[in-house]
Amino acid sequence: DTEVTQTPKHLVMGMTNKKSLKCEQHMGHRAMYWYKQKAKKPPELMFVYSYEKLSINESVPSRFSPECPNSSLLNLHLHALQPEDSALYLCASSQDFRTEAFFGQGTRLTVV
Amino acid sequence: AQKVTQAQTEISVVEKEDVTLDCVYETRDTTYYLFWYKQPPSGELVFLIRRNSFDEQNEISGRYSWNFQKSTSSFNFTITASQVVDSAVYFCALSESNTGFQKLVFGTGTRLLVSP
Repeated sequence: DTEVTQTPKHLVMGMTNKKSLKCEQHMGHRAMYWYKQKAKKPPELMFVYSYEKLSINESVPSRFSPECPNSSLLNLHLHALQPEDSALYLCASSQDFRTEAFFGQGTRLTVV
Repeated sequence: AQKVTQAQTEISVVEKEDVTLDCVYETRDTTYYLFWYKQPPSGELVFLIRRNSFDEQNEISGRYSWNFQKSTSSFNFTITASQVVDSAVYFCALSESNTGFQKLVFGTGTRLLVSP
């Protein structure tokens, strides 16, 4: 099973809402990632969790809050977002730096 | 700093034509990994190939082939006899080895449109 599952697939939220994006993998991968992709742009790394610990935060605003409850799950909590945060949010996992990352289908987020 | 350049923004071909997508990278690391991903309209990034910096062997997988040339810092991707289903955005990406986990830096992508 080489699948990374993300929910929801689409999300529309107001600027005062709190919502969460969820990501799950059952490949036993020890690293999990959040990427943000704006329209017609490449994905950009946001966060890296390695062995359930936050290893990289690419200077992401605090209105994005990641959480890794266990080795299979990764959440991204959203609060007080801005319209410019509208994007495709992609979750990925990999065994380590040598191996390929597997990506989920993403959550298309629209902030109104 | 590492950088990946995909100079071709968009390519249009007719079905059955061969097409080559170019990728040029920059890195100061001696150990690094190169990847190609396909992104269809559904949004998911589909892994196509991984190549490490010590393996310059070219690879063929069905209609897909890759040419890695360290001397020119290029990792080009050729689709032979293209099909409509090949229409997608293709990203080349680089990951260095010094972090212990993958930190992918993507090129800007090449949109491939294959028409019948």
